Amino acid sequence: GENVEQHPSTLSVQEGDSAVIKCTYSDSASNYFPWYKQELGKRPQLIIDIRSNVGEKKDQRIAVTLNKTAKHFSLHITETQPEDSAVYFCAAIPREYGNKLVFGAGTILRVKS
Amino acid sequence: NAGVTQTPKFQVLKTGQSMTLQCAQDMNHEYMSWYRQDPGMGLRLIHYSVGAGITDQGEVPNGYNVSRSTTEDFPLRLLSAAPSQTSVYFCASSYTPSRGEQYFGPGTRLTVT
Repeated sequence: GENVEQHPSTLSVQEGDSAVIKCTYSDSASNYFPWYKQELGKRPQLIIDIRSNVGEKKDQRIAVTLNKTAKHFSLHITETQPEDSAVYFCAAIPREYGNKLVFGAGTILRVKS
Repeated sequence: NAGVTQTPKFQVLKTGQSMTLQCAQDMNHEYMSWYRQDPGMGLRLIHYSVGAGITDQGEVPNGYNVSRSTTEDFPLRLLSAAPSQTSVYFCASSYTPSRGEQYFGPGTRLTVT
């Protein structure tokens, strides 16, 4: 999506390895950064989010880090499992977009067992 | 509590036909939005609403109309379907886009021939 760039577009990892997906945003006033997971044929669901007053947030095997100076935030998945295979989307709310949540283009994560 | 519901699940239209995709939520959310999802392009915002009687355009509004007469319902109208509108359409709702999870509906897969 516009103003939110996401890399890589595809990522293959071996089961048990870590996966990292990175997003950059253009508006320094953005203050909310969610990550969504979409399994094949299903709807996107929120897995973790972070606000600009926090540098890192963890939830079991998932963590998100935020670097406001560099305007990027990353999703970290440790000890990956086959059920982590999905498309992951980052999002942000650029100020010039008002109330619009803008999504990145998505990363297809494949965990090979 | 049904969450966000969408109808129909699948639809095939001929070029030039019009139709309405239905979306409803029972969570008393003020914010509702419509996205289209195309391969490699993530979730692109079509239209959104911050409350009954208020709608605004997203990234890709051309060819679509919306209205919000009640808090619960947010229908999306295709005025004159075109093959470029072949996509999966998701409706979503939340309290605000910057406060917590956006709940997505199950999606409508639309094909325009």
